[in-house]
Amino acid sequence: EAGVAQSPRYKIIEKRQSVAFWCNPISGHATLYWYQQILGQGPKLLIQFQNNGVVDDSQLPKDRFSAERLKGVDSTLKIQPAKLEDSAVYLCASSILGRYGEKLFFGSGTQLSVL
Amino acid sequence: DQQVKQNSPSLSVQEGRISILNCDYTNSMFDYFLWYKKYPAEGPTFLISISSIKDKNEDGRFTVFLNKSAKHLSLHIVPSQPGDSAVYFCAASGTGNQFYFGTGTSLTVIP
Repeated sequence: EAGVAQSPRYKIIEKRQSVAFWCNPISGHATLYWYQQILGQGPKLLIQFQNNGVVDDSQLPKDRFSAERLKGVDSTLKIQPAKLEDSAVYLCASSILGRYGEKLFFGSGTQLSVL
Repeated sequence: DQQVKQNSPSLSVQEGRISILNCDYTNSMFDYFLWYKKYPAEGPTFLISISSIKDKNEDGRFTVFLNKSAKHLSLHIVPSQPGDSAVYFCAASGTGNQFYFGTGTSLTVIP
């Protein structure tokens, strides 16, 4: 079974530039998440989709971040304009119901450096 | 507001011994808990989970214990192996399938 695919793996941009990340979840997984992981911290949820609808985007900085999930499958996360504090690993995950609850499967992440 | 806390940033254990990683949470509405393992330059991978209806779940060398009254869970790895060296995150979930992660504990297993 193919895992969660993310691209690019690394991205270096200057502040005020824009950047986009792409995610393809595991086939059949209805729920998709974008997490931000700053060095030394745990993953923090940015946005959660159920099929192509947004379930939770309360922690998404909407003045600069946007995300969409096309046809309930692939998703893109965009930052425009980027700030220095956006330097982090951006993780995409999809989930499936396990025996007692949802189980998250993560992609390898995109490491963003904003200079 | 950090709802899930891992107070030990790092832990070193001799190969063959037991590794115990701890996690505390503050939200009494959490009813499902997971442990993830992360190697450098990779995404976290699922290790083991436990529901609040249980106080112990075991999978091979990995056992998770849940103490609901103390809002505490722990991951035991016995015996520890060098390949277990990684960062371990605990996560908690309540309604809505929203997961909250701790800051991670870096485990080093010394051969």
